[in-house]
Amino acid sequence: QVQLQESGPGLVKPSGTLSLTCAVSGGSISSSNWWSWVRQAPGKGLEWIGEIYHSGSTNYNPSLKNRVTISIDKSKNLFSLKLNSVTAADTAIYYCASIAVGVGIDYWGQGTLVTVSS
Amino acid sequence: QSVLTQPPSVSGAPGQRVTISCTGSSSNIGADYGVHWYQLLPGTAPRLLIYGNTNRPSGVPDRFSGSKSGASASLAITGLQAEDEADYYCQSYDSRLSGWVFGGGTKLTVL
Repeated sequence: QVQLQESGPGLVKPSGTLSLTCAVSGGSISSSNWWSWVRQAPGKGLEWIGEIYHSGSTNYNPSLKNRVTISIDKSKNLFSLKLNSVTAADTAIYYCASIAVGVGIDYWGQGTLVTVSS
Repeated sequence: QSVLTQPPSVSGAPGQRVTISCTGSSSNIGADYGVHWYQLLPGTAPRLLIYGNTNRPSGVPDRFSGSKSGASASLAITGLQAEDEADYYCQSYDSRLSGWVFGGGTKLTVL
């Protein structure tokens, strides 16, 4: 059973960079899954941020593409999210997730609340 | 405005059947990309309910079923229970955006 655990600061200042890490356990990050980030702003729906494959190939939400970087560390079995130039609109619960081809998101982290505020 | 359109809310009494629709377009559901459904309960991680339009992961009760026709999909819940009260989201791939898209979510209230 794959388990995902997000970690990172819960508070980020406006114009700063949001940085989160997702540790993968119970499975290899070099499997055939894509590793993804999804967020949910307060009172809003789910929003896909982007994904990365173990090869390093990435796909990003066009609305966030200019501010997002997702990276992977196969030696540590983890992947990371960086979102720069944040504003209050980036306040959300951030989930890391595993996407299996043809299945969708089969595993989710518990989510971590990140608040953008001075 | 979400790429996939869901009703904001649905409701039903215990034991009844409800359906939640998810309407897309020719660049996502209509392009034959699979539709996946998730259940979000407050304070818990989302749960995969249906994948590939109609398939249930192990552990998901057969009260939950999915269907797809053209550029739309539906989630049906029969024998409604109080524990089904949650938010439900559909998801698919969009070729125009080259990425995953979600519906706006539907809040299910069990009366």
